[in-house]
Amino acid sequence: GDSVTQMEGPVTLSEEAFLTINCTYTATGYPSLFWYVQYPGEGLQLLLKATKADDKGSNKGFEATYRKETTSFHLEKGSVQVSDSAVYFCALSEGYNQGGKLIFGQGTELSVKP
Amino acid sequence: DAGVTQSPTHLIKTRGQQVTLRCSPKSGHDTVSWYQQALGQGPQFIFQYYEEEERQRGNFPDRFSGHQFPNYSSELNVNALLLGDSALYLCASSGIRDSTSHEQFFGPGTRLTVL
Repeated sequence: GDSVTQMEGPVTLSEEAFLTINCTYTATGYPSLFWYVQYPGEGLQLLLKATKADDKGSNKGFEATYRKETTSFHLEKGSVQVSDSAVYFCALSEGYNQGGKLIFGQGTELSVKP
Repeated sequence: DAGVTQSPTHLIKTRGQQVTLRCSPKSGHDTVSWYQQALGQGPQFIFQYYEEEERQRGNFPDRFSGHQFPNYSSELNVNALLLGDSALYLCASSGIRDSTSHEQFFGPGTRLTVL
């Protein structure tokens, strides 16, 4: 079945460092891909998405490109801030346009130190 | 505009008991999905309700059941609780009728502890 694998955390960075969180997926069709963020004590928030190959999702300085050839959707940010400390989840959905279920990776905890 | 709301926030039960969790979707949404998030793990899809019927189901036993009401709110019921049911239960709503609103908006979750 479909699955998502993320790099394990926790990831600890200094403020203004470059961030990469790796995500690869396995899917039978052509899924939509997502990054969600979960701040302490809160629910999940959609950070960015890409619905077809070569699309780049971006939001709040974060970017990820849908790479079909490598089945990857790595999250990047050029300069992290303390406020970016959270858990990041990569996810896919086979039937996004029909409200399809989300399949999540295990999450990567990011801690940014001042 | 209120987002997705869930109640209660926290719940403590003992093994063998039954529990009901509640979710009100974001205004204008007609579809509710439920996810279980064990500590340190990603959310896992339980099921989805649309037009008061279960539309999709994940790999969860029949002890997990749900309901959707005419006002689109939803309940998740878990019978015969096991220690392994301890988790954060997340509700997400989306709008199937509105083709621009497929994004799933998540509530803050209900933290269930089974002792």
